[in-house]
Amino acid sequence: EVQLVESGGGLVQPGGSLRLSCAASGFTFSSYWMSWVRQAPGQGLQWVASIRQHGSEKYYVASVKGRFTISRDNAKNSLYLQMNSLRAEDTAVYYCAREGTTSHYFDYWGQGTLVTVSS
Amino acid sequence: QSVLTQPPSVSAAPGQKVTISCSGSSSNIGNNYVSWYQQLPGTAPKLLIYDNNKRPSGIPDRFSGSKSGTSATLDITGLQTGDEADYYCGTWDSSLSVYVFGTGTKVTVL
Repeated sequence: EVQLVESGGGLVQPGGSLRLSCAASGFTFSSYWMSWVRQAPGQGLQWVASIRQHGSEKYYVASVKGRFTISRDNAKNSLYLQMNSLRAEDTAVYYCAREGTTSHYFDYWGQGTLVTVSS
Repeated sequence: QSVLTQPPSVSAAPGQKVTISCSGSSSNIGNNYVSWYQQLPGTAPKLLIYDNNKRPSGIPDRFSGSKSGTSATLDITGLQTGDEADYYCGTWDSSLSVYVFGTGTKVTVL
């Protein structure tokens, strides 16, 4: 059974940093693109970043470029999101998601971890 | 601001059909596959349709997707109370090199 479990969320002050983790199991982690998707309170879904199987390609939404870094450790079946210079507008539930194999889509999602940026 | 436009809400009685539209452009829907997601209240999104019209295993055939030009559609037939949720379309935007989601549609079963 595919499982994605996020951790690392919490309350952080504006300008602060946080590192999210996603523990994957039930599939060959190194064979899949992985992504982070976020959802601000009461708002819609927003894709944040994606990383290729061995980390050679990374893509980011414009609003987080230069502040967030997506990475992975295939030996630990783990995905990460390092978030620096956090802003109030980064407040959201962050979901880890596995990408499909035939095109860009997200076939499995974690339960999400809440990041709150506030003083 | 999402580049994919969906109606904010649709509604119908149990057993009826609803159609959710997703409008984009040539850089996204026009040249890439579309997927659809269901988000029940308080839960993570779930994949309903991928590659325009394919259903993952376990998704009932009451859910169907289609695409024409720069628009896509999700149909839900035989509407059930358990279908009350938010629905999002999504696709890759080749010009922006980003994945984009639609604005979301709330389905209400009357």
